[in-house]
Amino acid sequence: QVQLVQSGAEVKKPGASVKVSCKASGYTFTSYGISWVRQAPGQGLEWMGWISAYNGNTNYAQKLQGRVTMTTDTSTSTAYMELRSLRSDDTAVYYCARPTSPYHDAFDIWGQGTMVTVSS
Amino acid sequence: EIVMTQSPATLSVSPGERATLSCRASQSVSSNLAWYQQKPGQAPRLLIYGASTRATGIPARFSGSGSGTEFTLTISSLQSEDFAVYYCQQYNNWPHTFGPGTKVDIK
Repeated sequence: QVQLVQSGAEVKKPGASVKVSCKASGYTFTSYGISWVRQAPGQGLEWMGWISAYNGNTNYAQKLQGRVTMTTDTSTSTAYMELRSLRSDDTAVYYCARPTSPYHDAFDIWGQGTMVTVSS
Repeated sequence: EIVMTQSPATLSVSPGERATLSCRASQSVSSNLAWYQQKPGQAPRLLIYGASTRATGIPARFSGSGSGTEFTLTISSLQSEDFAVYYCQQYNNWPHTFGPGTKVDIK
């Protein structure tokens, strides 16, 4: 079955970096983009950005520009999201998500989420 | 950036009743609008995409309507498993912004 499996929880100090992985299975990885969405404790969903697994093109949320990098490794069908210069307000559950179709961005497949805690 | 707003913030409904949730976009998103349901500790679940198309496996009691800037999610007869937070999301323009959510709780 189609699934996305994310790496485990992380605890980081302010100023550090975190890299979360998202391994896809059950479909042709390069046929769909992968988006990243985060959710701070008790808060709503925040779209972070998108990467094409076909050619590596990206689109990032402006507020994260310069701190976030999304990449893919097609040999292992894995997407990565790296966030640098971490702050306490980056504490959140980070999700990767795949759309229902290569032609739009409504997400029917979600990873299980990765909790990232930023604390000194 | 397109700003999505949802109303009400909280909706108290009795089981079996109808629930109507609203979502508004700050500019037209055509029909590129999705609805998600999220329960505590779980990833969001896609309910509706293309403003009115139910995702695979979604019960017929969930329906979506609207286009442009005004959208509605209707749950025709609330079941116990429907009490959750509901988010709308536009994917017409980057960034693909979410609304703040509507919490549907038991009256």
